[in-house]
Amino acid sequence: KNEVEQSPQNLTAQEGEFITINCSYSVGISALHWLQQHPGGGIVSLFMLSSGKKKHGRLIATINIQEKHSSLHITASHPRDSAVYICAVRWSGGSNYKLTFGKGTLLTVNP
Amino acid sequence: DAGVIQSPRHEVTEMGQEVTLRCKPISGHNSLFWYRQTMMRGLELLIYFNNNVPIDDSGMPEDRFSAKMPNASFSTLKIQPSEPRDSAVYFCASSFSSQYEQYFGPGTRLTVT
Repeated sequence: KNEVEQSPQNLTAQEGEFITINCSYSVGISALHWLQQHPGGGIVSLFMLSSGKKKHGRLIATINIQEKHSSLHITASHPRDSAVYICAVRWSGGSNYKLTFGKGTLLTVNP
Repeated sequence: DAGVIQSPRHEVTEMGQEVTLRCKPISGHNSLFWYRQTMMRGLELLIYFNNNVPIDDSGMPEDRFSAKMPNASFSTLKIQPSEPRDSAVYFCASSFSSQYEQYFGPGTRLTVT
């Protein structure tokens, strides 16, 4: 079964700390998405990547295709970064529209 | 652009009633997705439209659920009759093409009592 695993499930940090959230998947993919969802809120797409690294402000996403692993980093974390971060993949050779979602990582950044 | 628009934002209804959720995708996007999010199952794809045509409705739970996209700027998801287990947040998302980034609406929180 094609699976997406995220770790950790829950993460608590102090303001200013460097955060890493991990995502591993079981077979080849054509793209990986990182999404952000604030409590009770909507879903925002942070990154879509298929290789290498992308950066937007304090957020950095990396992917290692050979190791089937991606990381989302947050530098200088802030309480407003508190949210659920969801990894989603589009499997290569499968439907080119279907995303498989991880269960999410709940990040809490304390002031 | 205003982004993906969904209405209503919250819906509380009694079991057995008909519920209609609405979505306006971003102009120029040809792919539209309806998702359901619950604590137990996370995000699940219900149905995918491409150029207003339903391509994949395998995620629609049962015959009580139906979706339409009469034109490029409007889609509905209907539940008739509704049941308490349908309580969830329903998201609509659109993208320029199925392989591009998806933009999510704010969601509709449905509670069926």
